[in-house]
Amino acid sequence: QKEVEQNSGPLSVPEGAIASLNCTYSDRGSQSFFWYRQYSGKSPELIMSIYSNGDKEDGRFTAQLNKASQYVSLLIRDSQPSDSATYLCAVSGRDDKIIFGKGTRLHILP
Amino acid sequence: DTAVSQTPKYLVTQMGNDKSIKCEQNLGHDTMYWYKQDSKKFLKIMFSYNNKELIINETVPNRFSPKSPDKAHLNLHINSLELGDSAVYFCASSQINSPLHFGNGTRLTVT
Repeated sequence: QKEVEQNSGPLSVPEGAIASLNCTYSDRGSQSFFWYRQYSGKSPELIMSIYSNGDKEDGRFTAQLNKASQYVSLLIRDSQPSDSATYLCAVSGRDDKIIFGKGTRLHILP
Repeated sequence: DTAVSQTPKYLVTQMGNDKSIKCEQNLGHDTMYWYKQDSKKFLKIMFSYNNKELIINETVPNRFSPKSPDKAHLNLHINSLELGDSAVYFCASSQINSPLHFGNGTRLTVT
């Protein structure tokens, strides 16, 4: 059974600090990795996608992928209250099935 | 303009009834999905269609039947609704190995 694991939180981070969200996955054949943000009562929205080992930066967000350790993370720099949400890690394997973790609730403290 | 649209947004019904949720995407994607998000916010894949063909069918009761009349539409019909079916159902679409684009969700409440 392919799995994606995340710490459910809540993760509390002071405004302006760096929030670090982590995710591990079980399927070594996984090829595509995504981070989604979901506000309460809304649909998930894509923040970052990453396909190869290393870092990928987009504004205040950096995704990091380490396939050997089966680990993907998301860093949010200069955290803002508007970043408070649930962050979902998603992983896609060779079968194109996209599996989600249970999400980490992030709370930015003003 | 909406990329993935699903209707209705809210659905309140009694146990034993049959209901349908409709989904349409105008992104030209080949693959469409149904996901269920339970009260603990866990998003679980139910079905996936690629160009009208069923390619993923997770362990979902037979009461749930997807139908894809064309690659832009994927509907979900649920027979004999049960209390445990209460959840938010999301339609999504994508190209292969690309991110999902979600609809706004349908909140189903079974009483």
